[in-house]
Amino acid sequence: QSALTQPPSASGSPGQSVTISCTGTSSDVGTYNLVSWYQQHPGKAPKLMIYEISKRPSGVPDRFSGSKSGNTVSLTVSGLQAEDEADYYCSSYARSNNYVFGTGTKVTVL
Amino acid sequence: EVQLVESGGGLVQPGGSLRLSCAASGFTFSSYWMVWVRQAPGKGPVYVSEINSDGSVTRYADSVKDRFTISRDNAKNTLYLQMNSLRAEDTAVYYCARGGYGGGYDYWGQGILVTGSS
Repeated sequence: QSALTQPPSASGSPGQSVTISCTGTSSDVGTYNLVSWYQQHPGKAPKLMIYEISKRPSGVPDRFSGSKSGNTVSLTVSGLQAEDEADYYCSSYARSNNYVFGTGTKVTVL
Repeated sequence: EVQLVESGGGLVQPGGSLRLSCAASGFTFSSYWMVWVRQAPGKGPVYVSEINSDGSVTRYADSVKDRFTISRDNAKNTLYLQMNSLRAEDTAVYYCARGGYGGGYDYWGQGILVTGSS
């Protein structure tokens, strides 16, 4: 099972929006809605930000939103804040009966 | 407060074995799927294995199948990962996490380092 493809980096100024893409195949993202996004700060465990493509767990700001089109899902962070600077990973259920993560995107707040 | 605390990591020679534990508290452990995810230095997370709430269903990544065994003791609120025939490429921080709704892992432990090196 190959990793989902994400751009290595993305950036934006405080208050702006940044969108991260995550591209899979018809064996994972294209077929299943069990797609999640995780935020990871250096030296910390990943934190769930989005599940089922666009749902936010309790406590996650509504500045974080998710969407899907075909084999690609996207995470948008609106109103960028300094604390949003982190690595972001997507994850999807796959036909091979397990989960696959993305390659990761480093978000920099300029 | 939900807490997951991993233990049992360390340095092990290639071909050796190690058992990781994950002590859970703050929630009804026996009601949740649990998963092990690993992250090699400088790399992204990788799914390793998961187990359903009563331990009757287990799944593994191809890279660890037939070498690793996931199990749980619901009476002790503890998740395990028995790792045999360890390889250098198994070197990573291993996290246990709780399976939440919609396939997301909603709580994670702090991670434990496993180093497979001679």
